[in-house]
Amino acid sequence: DAKTTQPPSMDCAEGRAANLPCNHSTISGNEYVYWYRQIHSQGPQYIIHGLKNNETNEMASLIITEDRKSSTLILPHATLRDTAVYYCIVRVLSGGSNYKLTFGKGTLLTVNP
Amino acid sequence: DTAVSQTPKYLVTQMGNDKSIKCEQNLGHDTMYWYKQDSKKFLKIMFSYNNKELIINETVPNRFSPKSPDKAHLNLHINSLELGDSAVYFCASSRGDYYGYTFGSGTRLTVV
Repeated sequence: DAKTTQPPSMDCAEGRAANLPCNHSTISGNEYVYWYRQIHSQGPQYIIHGLKNNETNEMASLIITEDRKSSTLILPHATLRDTAVYYCIVRVLSGGSNYKLTFGKGTLLTVNP
Repeated sequence: DTAVSQTPKYLVTQMGNDKSIKCEQNLGHDTMYWYKQDSKKFLKIMFSYNNKELIINETVPNRFSPKSPDKAHLNLHINSLELGDSAVYFCASSRGDYYGYTFGSGTRLTVV
């Protein structure tokens, strides 16, 4: 029951920017978009999150369209260590005032030498 | 110096047994979670605790009982283990719902 749609896989050349798209057309006005990644056999790792403004941190940039129906995670200079499954998640209410993150299938990003 | 640590890393046990997985975080976070990742790699939330209080229980069978002795620990006890319980279980913590979660490295449970 994830509210997001992502391509199942993408390739990227080492050193180039990786742009990972995500559709979340049913997102509500107060729902945030989160990005995590999971490198093989490890726990998921938080990357970035945003509501409607573009965000940047030391790992990545998050571009959210004006209508908030889609977003793009940008890894500016992909390395081989960025090969992972990337999850785009909309944080939703889970009864009362508590939120939960529902992970979808994600995008397997393969960075090639 | 691990932020969220889980023990054991691997657990192989027979059907019908009772087992526990321990989780500890040294980040001072108020909220802790248990997620299950099945063989198809879907990550599903099981429980969420805030300051030792259960706030999310995602229709998990009552054979699964989380226990939080203090806000730095969230253990998962599983009774009468079944084959379908085989999965990787991840513990996570956060400062609150708005903030990113820090996940542990997972416990791979295999029920034979």
